[in-house]
Amino acid sequence: KQEVTQIPAALSVPEGENLVLNCSFTDSAIYNLQWFRQDPGKGLTSLLLIQSSQREQTSGRLNASLDKSSGRSTLYIAASQPGDSATYLCAVLSNDYKLSFGAGTTVTVRA
Amino acid sequence: GAVVSQHPSWVICKSGTSVKIECRSLDFQATTMFWYRQFPKQSLMLMATSNEGSKATYEQGVEKDKFLINHASLTLSTLTVTSAHPEDSSFYICSASNRGSAHNEQFFGPGTRLTVL
Repeated sequence: KQEVTQIPAALSVPEGENLVLNCSFTDSAIYNLQWFRQDPGKGLTSLLLIQSSQREQTSGRLNASLDKSSGRSTLYIAASQPGDSATYLCAVLSNDYKLSFGAGTTVTVRA
Repeated sequence: GAVVSQHPSWVICKSGTSVKIECRSLDFQATTMFWYRQFPKQSLMLMATSNEGSKATYEQGVEKDKFLINHASLTLSTLTVTSAHPEDSSFYICSASNRGSAHNEQFFGPGTRLTVL
């Protein structure tokens, strides 16, 4: 069974600092890995999707890397802003088409 | 991008009643739909997978007689929580996927907050 772990569970930084969020998974036989943002009481917003054959994806201030062999992904958010405050979820799509989610990292960016 | 809607966005009901939640893919055909549950400060847990026109596949520990799933068309799946109890209070989120798409990406609905009194 796929296990997804996210470290740290919570993070508080001053505005302007770069954010580094970590995700690890136990079974490297994955189809893709996805990072989501979730605001309190809301649904999921997809940020980046990395196919298993890819090493990284970038969108604006966001960059996500994937090392499938070691079972790790990192989400970088450059020059953080208060609007980046949210919970960030990592999810892995296994070859049975099931998504396994980590518990999330709750980010607070202080103005 | 692909849009998935859920209705209602929130519902409050009395213990013992049944509640139906709808999940619709608005601009694509969803061959597969997934239902997740999220308890406060926890992550999403997959409850079941449904393919259009066939019975849903439930994850271990999820009661299929309590959580009835119907995927009657390529754009609609429903989750009915039967005889709801306070412990069923949770955030229910659906996602939809077209297995023929290039990335097998799941597109998520906005979620339904269920509170059982």
